[in-house]
Amino acid sequence: KQEVTQIPAALSVPEGENLVLNCSFTDSAIYNLQWFRQDPGKGLTSLLLIQSSQREQTSGRLNASLDKSSGRSTLYIAASQPGDSATYLCAVRPQAAGNKLTFGGGTRVLVKP
Amino acid sequence: GAVVSQHPSWVICKSGTSVKIECRSLDFQATTMFWYRQFPKQSLMLMATSNEGSKATYEQGVEKDKFLINHASLTLSTLTVTSAHPEDSSFYICSALTGGQPQHFGDGTRLSIL
Repeated sequence: KQEVTQIPAALSVPEGENLVLNCSFTDSAIYNLQWFRQDPGKGLTSLLLIQSSQREQTSGRLNASLDKSSGRSTLYIAASQPGDSATYLCAVRPQAAGNKLTFGGGTRVLVKP
Repeated sequence: GAVVSQHPSWVICKSGTSVKIECRSLDFQATTMFWYRQFPKQSLMLMATSNEGSKATYEQGVEKDKFLINHASLTLSTLTVTSAHPEDSSFYICSALTGGQPQHFGDGTRLSIL
């Protein structure tokens, strides 16, 4: 059974510092991995999607890497801003699960001004 | 970009009432729609998966007679919480998927049963 873990569960950094969020998964047989942002009381906003054949994706200050063989993905957020404060979730789409995403527990990020 | 619209965003109603939540994909046709439930400070829990024109597939422990899902078209799915009770109070989020594209989520519905 696929399990997804995100460490740390919470992170607090001063504004301007780079953020590094980790995601690990137990089964490397995945179609893709997706990073989301969730603000309090809101749904999920898709940030980056990495296909299993890709090693990284970039969008603005965000960069996500994927090492499928070791079961790890890292989301980097450069020059963090207070507006980056949110919960970040990673999710994998296993090859054997009929299109169902498996989510990590999330990392709650606070960027202090 | 792709947008999933969920309505209503907040519902407060009396115990015993049935509540319907709508989920629409606004600029793409969703082959599959998903319904999740989220408890405070926890990650999303998948309730059911629905494909257009077919019956929903419910996750273990989710009562299909309690949570009725209808996926009438490629752009609309509804979740009806029947005879809702206080323990059904939660944050419900729908999501839509097509092909190998990113899965997109609605803004969620906060359901409060008095």
